[in-house]
Amino acid sequence: GQQVQQSPASLVLQEGENAELQCNFSTSLNSMQWFYQRPGGSLVSLFYNPSGTKHSGRLTSTTVIKERRSSLHISSSQTTDSGTYLCALEPGDSNYQLIWGSGTKLIIKP
Amino acid sequence: EAAVTQSPRNKVTVTGGNVTLSCRQTNSHNYMYWYRQDTGHGLRLIHYSYGAGNLQIGDVPDGYKATRTTQEDFFLLLELASPSQTSLYFCASSEAYEQYFGPGTRLTVL
Repeated sequence: GQQVQQSPASLVLQEGENAELQCNFSTSLNSMQWFYQRPGGSLVSLFYNPSGTKHSGRLTSTTVIKERRSSLHISSSQTTDSGTYLCALEPGDSNYQLIWGSGTKLIIKP
Repeated sequence: EAAVTQSPRNKVTVTGGNVTLSCRQTNSHNYMYWYRQDTGHGLRLIHYSYGAGNLQIGDVPDGYKATRTTQEDFFLLLELASPSQTSLYFCASSEAYEQYFGPGTRLTVL
């Protein structure tokens, strides 16, 4: 079955609102990465966060292993935040292979 | 000085054609990966390698060959391209859990 479930599949917000994106996983993990995919397709690594909370500007990533979830919070969203956000998990029994969520498409309206 | 580069960035071929996608990394990483991404999906692993001359099968290997000629260079070969292989292809490298991605190659098979 699906080992990584990402939600919501899409999200439309007004500029200035906060966004909360979730990944739930059903397996043990070694690592969790969050990526931003630009509309043109290129991937930008946002966070490598196997556990705990990390901050980068308006972005916050929190991974709670016991609850098998990881979240990405975007505060005071901007139109330039629009794009697709992907989470990728490395399972505990893997050989550096990632399992990917299907992504959240975020649209920020001006 | 991008650490993972891919070429070509865009490619159009016809059904039955031969295509080679190239990836080079300057991270001195042992692991390299080839993924494909299709609309509505996360990335899916085609092949990966943990060193020159090594090749491992990923989750969606059918119709693809790969070759790792050096630590830096990893190639993906489509010998009889089919329209179902129209996709966005990513290469990545890693030393441990965190993966670093190239800019992607958009392949269209007519």
